[in-house]
Amino acid sequence: GESVGLHLPTLSVQEGDNSIINCAYSNSASDYFIWYKQESGKGPQFIIDIRSNMDKRQGQRVTVLLNKTVKHLSLQIAATQPGDSAVYFCAESIQAGTALIFGKGTTLSVSS
Amino acid sequence: DGGITQSPKYLFRKEGQNVTLSCEQNLNHDAMYWYRQDPGQGLRLIYYSQIVNDFQKGDIAEGYSVSREKKESFPLTVTSAQKNPTAFYLCASRILRGEQFFGPGTRLTVL
Repeated sequence: GESVGLHLPTLSVQEGDNSIINCAYSNSASDYFIWYKQESGKGPQFIIDIRSNMDKRQGQRVTVLLNKTVKHLSLQIAATQPGDSAVYFCAESIQAGTALIFGKGTTLSVSS
Repeated sequence: DGGITQSPKYLFRKEGQNVTLSCEQNLNHDAMYWYRQDPGQGLRLIYYSQIVNDFQKGDIAEGYSVSREKKESFPLTVTSAQKNPTAFYLCASRILRGEQFFGPGTRLTVL
């Protein structure tokens, strides 16, 4: 089975709302987590990452939260814009240098 | 410009043919990866390499082969043994324990 998964395959929001995309992971030994955005026909684009020694990390309009107690990762997008519409993937790395393991993704649709 | 390039963008293969997908990076990254993505699905790992002249199988290596003769290059060959090769192929590179960056992808279609 998959090590990383997402709670919802699709999420629809209105422009200007805040979006929260969730991800659950199963391996408590994972020490690195990363969020990607993928637009149709393109390669995934790095958004933000976080290591297991942190609970929260902020970027520009995005925040990643890590709850190691329940093995849960979330991506918060503030003031969601139509350009944020894409598929979002979370991924984890179990050991330093090993390949990332990806979930299936959440499709975010932003309507004006 | 620094980054990862993949070529070609679109590739068509006839039944029984081997085809090679190119991946080049000028980021001086040690590790390189190949993933396969099917419609509506996540990324599945085919092969990865952490240093030159060394590579490991991922979850779906059957029907694929790779080489890592240079740090900058990690070509993927889709052999005739791969029975369902139509997919979007993504190459990535990474400094160990760092961010992983992806190329633009190659869409392979079997005719």
